[in-house]
Amino acid sequence: GQNIDQPTEMTATEGAIVQINCTYQTSGFNGLFWYQQHAGEAPTFLSYNVLDGLEEKGRFSSFLSRSKGYSYLLLKELQMKDSASYLCAVRGAPNNAGNMLTFGGGTRLMVKP
Amino acid sequence: DSGVTQTPKHLITATGQRVTLRCSPRSGDLSVYWYQQSLDQGLQFLIQYYNGEERAKGNILERFSAQQFPDLHSELNLSSLELGDSALYFCASSPSGGAADTQYFGPGTRLTVL
Repeated sequence: GQNIDQPTEMTATEGAIVQINCTYQTSGFNGLFWYQQHAGEAPTFLSYNVLDGLEEKGRFSSFLSRSKGYSYLLLKELQMKDSASYLCAVRGAPNNAGNMLTFGGGTRLMVKP
Repeated sequence: DSGVTQTPKHLITATGQRVTLRCSPRSGDLSVYWYQQSLDQGLQFLIQYYNGEERAKGNILERFSAQQFPDLHSELNLSSLELGDSALYFCASSPSGGAADTQYFGPGTRLTVL
């Protein structure tokens, strides 16, 4: 099975940097995704990591360590519009379960002025 | 806008009833996924279809069923509805359902069961 843990809530200040952690335990691993979700809206894709290391995409970066079962999402130069939930999702190894994603409970980030 | 469309946007119904949610994937995507998101459960995978065939099943109740049609749109049928079925239902699509695919989510259908 899959178990994914991330903090429930975080608060940060506009213009600052925040790191949202995600740890996972899976029976297989075939990639980790980060999604952003504003309340009542659809999750939107932010990043994908399948190999160890850092992936940078503008103000957002995501890091993966497969040996530690650990990832983080780094948000720089925080803006008020970054207030949202951030969902960590793991894809297990392809098998009869197809390519389903297992999502963590999400981290609700509040950005304050 | 992800390119995935879902109808209706909102649905209010009574316990014991049956509803159908509809999803059209992004142009060219062959795989469709259904998720349920309730306040206390987070985003839960229900079922995946690829090119008309069921590919993977998650924690989908027997009262729920889905299908994907030849034009690749998909429908999720929920029957004998209970209060606990009230949730946001999201559809996502991806090109092939393969290992490197990214899933793109539709705007969701908010189901309220009274």
